[in-house]
Amino acid sequence: DIVMTQTPLSLSVTPGQPASISCKSSQSLLHSDGKTYLYWYLQKPGQPPQLLIYEVSNRFSGVPDRFSGSGSGTDFTLKISRVEAEDVGVYYCMQSIQLPPTFGQGTKVEIK
Amino acid sequence: QVQLVQSGAEVKKPGASVKVSCKASGYTFTSYYMHWVRQAPGQGLEWMGIINPSGGSTSYAQKFQGRVTMTRDTSTSTVYMELSSLRSEDTAVYYCARLTTTGGYGMDVWGQGTTVTVSS
Repeated sequence: DIVMTQTPLSLSVTPGQPASISCKSSQSLLHSDGKTYLYWYLQKPGQPPQLLIYEVSNRFSGVPDRFSGSGSGTDFTLKISRVEAEDVGVYYCMQSIQLPPTFGQGTKVEIK
Repeated sequence: QVQLVQSGAEVKKPGASVKVSCKASGYTFTSYYMHWVRQAPGQGLEWMGIINPSGGSTSYAQKFQGRVTMTRDTSTSTVYMELSSLRSEDTAVYYCARLTTTGGYGMDVWGQGTTVTVSS
C-alpha cells in the first residue's frame, strides 16, 4: 500500500494569515494517463470529509479560491492564502492512483 | 443535488453483525462506484472497499476480507455494507462516498456517516 505522510500534524493560524500543509507519498502518484492522483479533503468538526482539491490542483465545485494545491510525483502542498474561521478542522491528503486509496494522518488546523 | 443518506446509528454486541445502508439520489445510481470508509473515534480515515452498483462487483481491503460484504439494490438506489464478527475495535463512524468521474479512485460526495458502537 502507498503510505501518505503529512506535516505538520497540527497548525494554529491567525485569521487572515496563510497556512501550508505538506503531503508526501511513498510512491509516485503520476499515472500513465498523465494525471496525478492526489486529493485533499477537509473534515470539519462533526461532519464527513468534504472534497477540496482533486488531481493535485483542481478545486472542487464551490471551493473558495483561497485554497490551492501544488506538487508533483511524491511531494504535494495545500495552501490557504488567508485562513478564515470556517477553515478549522482536519485536512487529509489521499492518494487515489491505486487500490486501496490511502490517507495521510491528518493535519488539525485551529484558529489562534 | 447529489445526496447520499445513510441509515441511523447502531449499537451491537461483540460477535454480532451490522448492516449499514446508503441511499443515493440526484444522479444515475448505476453510473458511479461507491466506496466505504470508516473512522474510529479520534482517528483517521480507513478505506474498507468499493462496489460497482451496476454489476455488483466488489473489491475489499485485505484487512476486512471475509468479514465485510457490500451489496446494492438498484430498485431503491441503495448500497449496503455488512460487517460481521464485530469486535470493540470496529466501533467507528462508517461513511459511504461516491467515486469521482475524473479518473482514479477518489471520492467526491460523502454520506453523513453512521455511528456503529460495539459494546457488551
